[in-house]
Amino acid sequence: AQTVTQSQPEMSVQEAETVTLSCTYDTSESDYYLFWYKQPPSRQMILVIRQEAYKQQNATENRFSVNFQKAAKSFSLKISDSQLGDAAMYFCAYRSRSGGGADGLTFGKGTHLIIQP
Amino acid sequence: DGGITQSPKYLFRKEGQNVTLSCEQNLNHDAMYWYRQDPGQGLRLIYYSQIVNDFQKGDIAEGYSVSREKKESFPLTVTSAQKNPTAFYLCASRTDRSAKTQYFGPGTRLLVL
Repeated sequence: AQTVTQSQPEMSVQEAETVTLSCTYDTSESDYYLFWYKQPPSRQMILVIRQEAYKQQNATENRFSVNFQKAAKSFSLKISDSQLGDAAMYFCAYRSRSGGGADGLTFGKGTHLIIQP
Repeated sequence: DGGITQSPKYLFRKEGQNVTLSCEQNLNHDAMYWYRQDPGQGLRLIYYSQIVNDFQKGDIAEGYSVSREKKESFPLTVTSAQKNPTAFYLCASRTDRSAKTQYFGPGTRLLVL
């Protein structure tokens, strides 16, 4: 079974600064998807960014980018120019591409990101 | 507007009572999912359905039941067999494009009286 680990329960960053959230995962598969979701106080889960494991290029979405290290099974999220609206819980998630086993996302326990004004 | 709706936003359950959480989507997605979130935890998969009239158990299906009679709807019933139902429940649906991304509804908070 796959596992996802987020080792930082909480992170704090000054507004306009850059912060990196860590995520590692354990899998025996070679093809899969990785995601970062954001959960603000409203508790709505919002997709931030996604990465397909077969793509070597790191995904980027505006101020959000990932550092995908397949051999190290690491998938960190970098937020540049942090804004107050970025304050939220951030969850890393894994999904098998092959579809073997349960067809769902495996989530980490989340990192609470605090933005200091 | 295309999206996923869940109702109610808050739900109270009495001891021994079954309650049903609604999830509807108009995104024309085939696959739908139910997750449970407990405080300080990530989401855990309860049930999923990849097509109408078919569904599969996830990691924590005990005490829950689902149906999938229509593509747009995937209701979750929390039965009296679920001894610790207090949690936040999230429904999702999945596109077959864009890395098969799952999109989530706003959630239902279930509390036990």
